Amino acid sequence: DIVMTQSPDSLAVSLGERATINCKSSQSVLYSSNNKNYLAWYQQKPGQPPKLLIYWASTRESGVPDRFSGSGSGTDFTLTISSLQAEDVAVYYCQQYYNTHTFGQGTKLEIK
Amino acid sequence: EVQLVESGGGLIQPGGSLRLSCAASGFTFSSYAMSWVRQAPGKGLEWVSSISGSGGSSYYGDSVKGRLTISRDNSKNTLNLQMNSLRAEDTAVYYCAKSTTMTDAGSYMDVWGKGTTVTVSS
Repeated sequence: DIVMTQSPDSLAVSLGERATINCKSSQSVLYSSNNKNYLAWYQQKPGQPPKLLIYWASTRESGVPDRFSGSGSGTDFTLTISSLQAEDVAVYYCQQYYNTHTFGQGTKLEIK
Repeated sequence: EVQLVESGGGLIQPGGSLRLSCAASGFTFSSYAMSWVRQAPGKGLEWVSSISGSGGSSYYGDSVKGRLTISRDNSKNTLNLQMNSLRAEDTAVYYCAKSTTMTDAGSYMDVWGKGTTVTVSS
């Protein structure tokens, strides 16, 4: 099974500052035949279901603000929020869908 | 509007059985694989099971193999999860999620229901 490890477990960032969350997979999730990374990011606010933010490692879902961006390839990925807003307080999860599904343990993002 | 509504959760004793359902609307149900994902209290997300759009293929996480069975009724736009031999560690919110392909291969989850709570306790 592919293990997904996020860092840090929690993060406090000032409003308007950049937030960076990392995700590492135990094996590559890059499919060579189409050069796509099978990696998604989700946001979960308290009491709500997860919401898809990013898929194919860097493609933003429709309606997601452009301050959210995804990068990386192979085994190392990053979710960046360029200018933190109050409504971005949430837990963020990465997920691989290269081989069934596995989620990272989550990163809790708070306001400093 | 694409919508998923789970039902069937509740309090059940260890060793008991429960059947969860997810009613889908707003999209061609049979064209997409579907999944169950659970979240134990205060914990992260855990993939439980997925089923192809036709229902012909299903996949399970190691922790639930042999005890939970996923199925679907495309005539009723409904996804099901039959849960047998329940354990305390199955206590969680169970989410139904829509995949973006028919087979679930290479598919992320683009729509989620609000979840139904299962509590396994004596």
